[in-house]
Amino acid sequence: EAAVTQSPRNKVAVTGGKVTLSCNQTNNHNNMYWYRQDTGHGLRLIHYSYGAGSTEKGDIPDGYKASRPSQENFSLILELATPSQTSVYFCASGEPGLGGYEQYFGPGTRLTVL
Amino acid sequence: AQSVTQPDARVTVSEGASLQLRCKYSYSGTPYLFWYVQYPRQGLQLLLKYYSGDPVVQGVNGFEAEFSKSNSSFHLRKASVHWSDSAVYFCVLSPHTNTGKLTFGDGTVLTVKP
Repeated sequence: EAAVTQSPRNKVAVTGGKVTLSCNQTNNHNNMYWYRQDTGHGLRLIHYSYGAGSTEKGDIPDGYKASRPSQENFSLILELATPSQTSVYFCASGEPGLGGYEQYFGPGTRLTVL
Repeated sequence: AQSVTQPDARVTVSEGASLQLRCKYSYSGTPYLFWYVQYPRQGLQLLLKYYSGDPVVQGVNGFEAEFSKSNSSFHLRKASVHWSDSAVYFCVLSPHTNTGKLTFGDGTVLTVKP
């Protein structure tokens, strides 16, 4: 029933390791987004996508890559994880211009990099 | 560049009291505006949205917000709060573009005392 799901929900990684966070949406939205949320702050945009095969840099893309293999799936990749990337990551989908400008969020992934 | 300011990081009210959470925005033009709520360990849920027309918009669970172009504000209100309203509330702005990129305020932590 949940329209945007994320996996894993919790992840502990080691410094220098590779981490992949996955997101799936059943809203059939063209746009998808990855954000991070740090204590006391709002969400900050890392990468986004207009559709399958497209990825765009957001406001804080350094240290992150993204992949959009299909309409439904959008991944965030940390090739060399660092402790500064410890955060909660949210995926969202939206259809700006057609379905309204709001976004629909997943439950989040809590990532700890040791 | 656009921005959103939520001047109150924390607000505490008693159950049954009225509530106002403040939001000021900076944007050249009339933006699309949203209030989202985040309950502990969950993703963000849309409370209400403003696109145009009547400056007072109604949302879920008795929340409403009033848009003021002259004051560049979009304050959230509720006549009588319940303990279950305790959460983090985000004021969010969207420009009129197909990127759908959102700008978040830092959030206001609402605590409702029984």
